[in-house]
Amino acid sequence: AQKITQTQPGMFVQEKEAVTLDCTYDTSDPSYGLFWYKQPSSGEMIFLIYQGSYDQQNATEGRYSLNFQKARKSANLVISASQLGDSAMYFCAMREGGYMEYGNKLVFGAGTILRVKS
Amino acid sequence: GAVVSQHPSRVICKSGTSVKIECRSLDFQATTMFWYRQFPKQSLMLMATSNEGSKATYEQGVEKDKFLINHASLTLSTLTVTSAHPEDSSFYICSANPLTRDRGTDTQYFGPGTRLTVL
Repeated sequence: AQKITQTQPGMFVQEKEAVTLDCTYDTSDPSYGLFWYKQPSSGEMIFLIYQGSYDQQNATEGRYSLNFQKARKSANLVISASQLGDSAMYFCAMREGGYMEYGNKLVFGAGTILRVKS
Repeated sequence: GAVVSQHPSRVICKSGTSVKIECRSLDFQATTMFWYRQFPKQSLMLMATSNEGSKATYEQGVEKDKFLINHASLTLSTLTVTSAHPEDSSFYICSANPLTRDRGTDTQYFGPGTRLTVL
């Protein structure tokens, strides 16, 4: 069964506008972590933002925020004021269990390709 | 921030040869490193978990004898693709967890990847 689902294969956004990338997850473990990574065409994986299952507030990192809706098991990434350099593949990932509990393995979604238009 | 390097960044080899890829954590120690494989426009597939001082844990369907992993120190893990064939051509990425938590994020930091082409 899919543990991480990203339903948007591709998205377009106008420069300077905000965009939301969807991510839903499936786990029965009460302790887990959710991550978003950006992968530009160069291939490197860039860590963007993290949300722990017990965190009370939604995570924010600069222009990135994570809309965490625990009951709906969703962890959408919101990018505000999009820039041309934001064009990339974006992956949502989940770590089940607490830190190092199961070796910290990550499960990745299929990814969403974001294109920012000028 | 935590930096992970990979070497080489790109390698082209003949079918039947072995290729070694190095993954180093430059400014932190990691007891655990991970090796992923990625095909074009697809997601990352975890191949194995590399544990310092012990045997690697391979994911289901990954051939242990084909993909040899050695985690020799707290800053170095190597992946050797033995007797490489064209179907092994792919993008290989490693990642590492710092021993100490980085702002409580439990983040995996990724290397820049190695593009392997087997002719």
